[in-house]
Amino acid sequence: ETGVTQSPTHLIKTRGQQVTLRCSSQSGHNTVSWYQQALGQGPQFIFQYYREEENGRGNFPPRFSGLQFPNYSSELNVNALELDDSALYLCASSYGTRDNEQFFGPGTRLTVL
Amino acid sequence: GENVEQHPSTLSVQEGDSAVIKCTYSDSASNYFPWYKQELGKGPQLIIDIRSNVGEKKDQRIAVTLNKTAKHFSLHITETQPEDSAVYFCAASTGDSGGGADGLTFGKGTHLIIQP
Repeated sequence: ETGVTQSPTHLIKTRGQQVTLRCSSQSGHNTVSWYQQALGQGPQFIFQYYREEENGRGNFPPRFSGLQFPNYSSELNVNALELDDSALYLCASSYGTRDNEQFFGPGTRLTVL
Repeated sequence: GENVEQHPSTLSVQEGDSAVIKCTYSDSASNYFPWYKQELGKGPQLIIDIRSNVGEKKDQRIAVTLNKTAKHFSLHITETQPEDSAVYFCAASTGDSGGGADGLTFGKGTHLIIQP
């Protein structure tokens, strides 16, 4: 098991609502990356936070936003939820922004009805 | 952007036999290639990785090979055991060369089934 934790474990929302997901990084790690994993697919990169700033973003619309706090924990916010946002949301922590090992948390399963 | 293809999508092997999963990538700037194992209801677990300056890496029953010229890399599991049953993902990354991270680009996964 990695030291990365995520909350909540499961979440059900309705279309149009907003959601906040949380991630605590592994001790000693200062970088958090967020991924979306649709059923039966590989994870897709949403964005990365390093030292409280966004440091790279995948092909996701602006209604996906994030924050990183001084203790390196992070939040993922999704506004105006759509049915296609239903997925497993994973955060991964690492040290630095270059190609260092990323360690994943267990994920938050979001269902949008 | 980077594109990673992974084959096969399902692989069934007898316990004790070897399993090989293959991936190709498109971006020649990719320099880091991790492999993850994901069990049902869990997040991906890093099992081995290789960097572009190395052709092969081994860790007990698991090995990874990288052919930069052909832009493909493979995972080899020997002496498979029931606990090896899971979904395996390959990924590629160009890292952060100063312009921001591109994250890991994952393949679609291989469901490995170990038959007793």
